[in-house]
Amino acid sequence: DSGVTQTPKHLITATGQRVTLRCSPRSGDLSVYWYQQSLDQGLQFLIHYYNGEERAKGNILERFSAQQFPDLHSELNLSSLELGDSALYFCASSVGASGVTDTQYFGPGTRLTVL
Amino acid sequence: AQSVTQLDSHVSVSEGTPVLLRCNYSSSYSPSLFWYVQHPNKGLQLLLKYTSAATLVKGINGFEAEFKKSETSFHLTKPSAHMSDAAEYFCVVSDYNTDKLIFGTGTRLQVFP
Repeated sequence: DSGVTQTPKHLITATGQRVTLRCSPRSGDLSVYWYQQSLDQGLQFLIHYYNGEERAKGNILERFSAQQFPDLHSELNLSSLELGDSALYFCASSVGASGVTDTQYFGPGTRLTVL
Repeated sequence: AQSVTQLDSHVSVSEGTPVLLRCNYSSSYSPSLFWYVQHPNKGLQLLLKYTSAATLVKGINGFEAEFKKSETSFHLTKPSAHMSDAAEYFCVVSDYNTDKLIFGTGTRLQVFP
């Protein structure tokens, strides 16, 4: 168990809908990262927050948004969902601000199915 | 740009035999390199990381990897496979320009009794 928690574990929804995925980092970690894992795209970095501020952005669609709250938990909002958004969404956390030198600890993921 | 190539999408071994998972990287500077493992329906777990110290890196569960600059490789090895090693393994390179990790496409390791 990495100490990173994600809810819900599974989510099934319809095209056009909006969902929110939630992540709680390990105790003491200030950074949260979001990744998308799909069969055709592999593991893709979406976005990184450090202590409430956006730090780096990856291949995140405009329909997607994220934020990190004062208690350091983070939410990933996905709207106008399409079939292709079906994927496993991972959250990771690390102690510091660097996405490449600090070890990232991954949560168990949220499996999103869009029907 | 930084990139990483995992040379095998699937590797099958018998329990008790050596494991070799191959990874080549491309980097314009000395990178940080990682191996992560993902067991079925689980998140990713760090096996080991290289950050320009010793070129032979020892990780958890008996795995190790050797950084070879001349070959731009970072292959993962284990002397004797265990059934519990069956999982997906990802080689990862750091991109300091963008402060992101770049993941390989993964190698699925099967271990037969």
